[in-house]
Amino acid sequence: NAGVMQNPRHLVRRRGQEARLRCSPMKGHSHVYWYRQLPEEGLKFMVYLQKENIIDESGMPKERFSAEFPKEGPSILRIQQVVRGDSAAYFCASSPPSSGLREQFFGPGTRLTVL
Amino acid sequence: EDQVTQSPEALRLQEGESSSLNCSYTVSGLRGLFWYRQDPGKGPEFLFTLYSAGEEKEKERLKATLTKKESFLHITAPKPEDSATYLCAVQANNQGGKLIFGQGTELSVKP
Repeated sequence: NAGVMQNPRHLVRRRGQEARLRCSPMKGHSHVYWYRQLPEEGLKFMVYLQKENIIDESGMPKERFSAEFPKEGPSILRIQQVVRGDSAAYFCASSPPSSGLREQFFGPGTRLTVL
Repeated sequence: EDQVTQSPEALRLQEGESSSLNCSYTVSGLRGLFWYRQDPGKGPEFLFTLYSAGEEKEKERLKATLTKKESFLHITAPKPEDSATYLCAVQANNQGGKLIFGQGTELSVKP
């Protein structure tokens, strides 16, 4: 009965390091979405994935950011060579494999701080 | 461009004082409109989905309504535990699954 799980909950990185954020969707869900919430800003869509496929990455910055959702294991959002502007809360959401409208259920988020 | 605007940005109510939050949207073909609640330091919690104009949904003290241009979240006789940020989001046809969020309304209910 677990919801969407994200880890770590808090991550501190120095400029230039790599950040890896993990997301395990709800049981039975095969669609994963990543959103970013910058300080004092709303939630912004980044990427939509299904198992082994990137469906929509229109919200991903062109450089340093990548995402994957392998056949086995959690979805990973990877940020290379982090900069201070990457400091934000990163939320993962999942939805079931049904057609049409799909409610998205969110995890607790990973709060990334870049020093 | 698809857009969601919420008002007011912040709302302070006394316990029992009913009010409404507004969500105006511009979207090229609405697939659905979603309301979420977000507490500080937590992820958004799903509340409602509305599909078409005229639709209404209720949950405890909350009632969501939808027109062709906006949605309202009515809060009846709020309690301090209703204090949170309320987020509105839209999903557009032919845009995959992504949600477009408004900035949110921060609701504070004082006892």
